[in-house]
Amino acid sequence: QKEVEQDPGPLSVPEGAIVSLNCTYSNSAFQYFMWYRQYSRKGPELLMYTYSSGNKEDGRFTAQVDKSSKYISLFIRDSQPSDSATYLCAMSYMKTSYDKVIFGPGTSLSVIP
Amino acid sequence: EPEVTQTPSHQVTQMGQEVILRCVPISNHLYFYWYRQILGQKVEFLVSFYNNEISEKSEIFDDQFSVERPDGSNFTLKIRSTKLEDSAMYFCASANGTQETQYFGPGTRLLVL
Repeated sequence: QKEVEQDPGPLSVPEGAIVSLNCTYSNSAFQYFMWYRQYSRKGPELLMYTYSSGNKEDGRFTAQVDKSSKYISLFIRDSQPSDSATYLCAMSYMKTSYDKVIFGPGTSLSVIP
Repeated sequence: EPEVTQTPSHQVTQMGQEVILRCVPISNHLYFYWYRQILGQKVEFLVSFYNNEISEKSEIFDDQFSVERPDGSNFTLKIRSTKLEDSAMYFCASANGTQETQYFGPGTRLLVL
């Protein structure tokens, strides 16, 4: 079983829609969960991070972690064309920023005006 | 806003040649990383570096790879004898160990012919 799994998409939604992106993972030792956004031919950019199960909100973005199910989600409200990118879930074993990051394969999102 | 920079943005080389990819991490950061992303695949951890030594390396990071911080600002990845399968986007990242993120550079696209 792969360490981190993510539906690659592509996912295409109309502007203003609510987007739900999901990942599952196999190793219960992961403690730190992140979502990165990657525009074409650019480096990953951190959007959200969380340590524990539950929800974390930042503007139009909500990250959700369910450690018991080994499942994490990112919700984007009022999606905009500028949100069109690949979204990478990521996690690490330590509650620090300096541990290596294990990435999912990414979900490609297109928001259509 | 401070950012990680990488040079060159693109590099084309012949199989068997040595390449050096260069990164300038954010100036007060202490932890440095290289990741790579083969086209269409996920971002993979290669190596982490702290206090002038390798902290951790993946199984991808074999004897053909080396890293160095030759001065106070640069961080380099050397591939001694490139193979076709080394063709990928290489991302440098840095962290200061207290902020909740690793900052990624824009990447160097390496093509081995």
